[in-house]
Amino acid sequence: SYELTQPPSLSVSPGQTASFTCSGDKLGNRYTSWYQQKPGQSPVLVMFQNSKRPSGIPARFSGSSSGNAATLTISETQALDEADYYCQAWDNKAAVFGGGTKLTVL
Amino acid sequence: QVQLHQSGPGLLKPSQTLSLTCAISGDSVSSNTAAWNWIRQSPSRGLEWLGRTYYRSKWYSDFAVSVKSRITITADTSRNQFSLQLDSVTPEDTAVYYCAGSKLTPVHFDPWGQGTLVTVTS
Repeated sequence: SYELTQPPSLSVSPGQTASFTCSGDKLGNRYTSWYQQKPGQSPVLVMFQNSKRPSGIPARFSGSSSGNAATLTISETQALDEADYYCQAWDNKAAVFGGGTKLTVL
Repeated sequence: QVQLHQSGPGLLKPSQTLSLTCAISGDSVSSNTAAWNWIRQSPSRGLEWLGRTYYRSKWYSDFAVSVKSRITITADTSRNQFSLQLDSVTPEDTAVYYCAGSKLTPVHFDPWGQGTLVTVTS
């Protein structure tokens, strides 16, 4: 079965750039979506089709995908961005999620 | 703006059937462009997509291999809602269950329901 791999944690200082990676076989040939989840809340879509932002998501969020990896980037990271971030792709009639990366804004 | 609201019991005993409902506002369960999904989340399994139903002149469903033998997802057009049924639950089915909307393809999930913690314990 298809697998997506994410580093478990990422720490940045306020104002720095946070870059999340998601790895999977030929992931660049699929669409990747990204979700933000804060404690006790449902996931929220922050990026779809690799690089498209839903309405209401700040322009600080950007995405890209190539080869075996997809990347979500948050520029000028703020304390309110502290959350878990999950990538997701579609494989053979089933959705696949990565294990998530916990972002800590120090 | 599409919104989803979940309902259903949160405590089950092993071998019982899990039943959850997701009410849709702002869209139709029989939309020709949407699909309606169930996803669960647990510390041991992370986010796990369970399945979906969608209407394209007739009803279709897709299910995750891990639950395919135990899962049913149905739509109720009169109430504009869809439901999850998971048979023969075990403690490993303990999780927060979410309903979510998506397009048929490409698939990304938005919006999500508020989540329901389902605990399976004897």
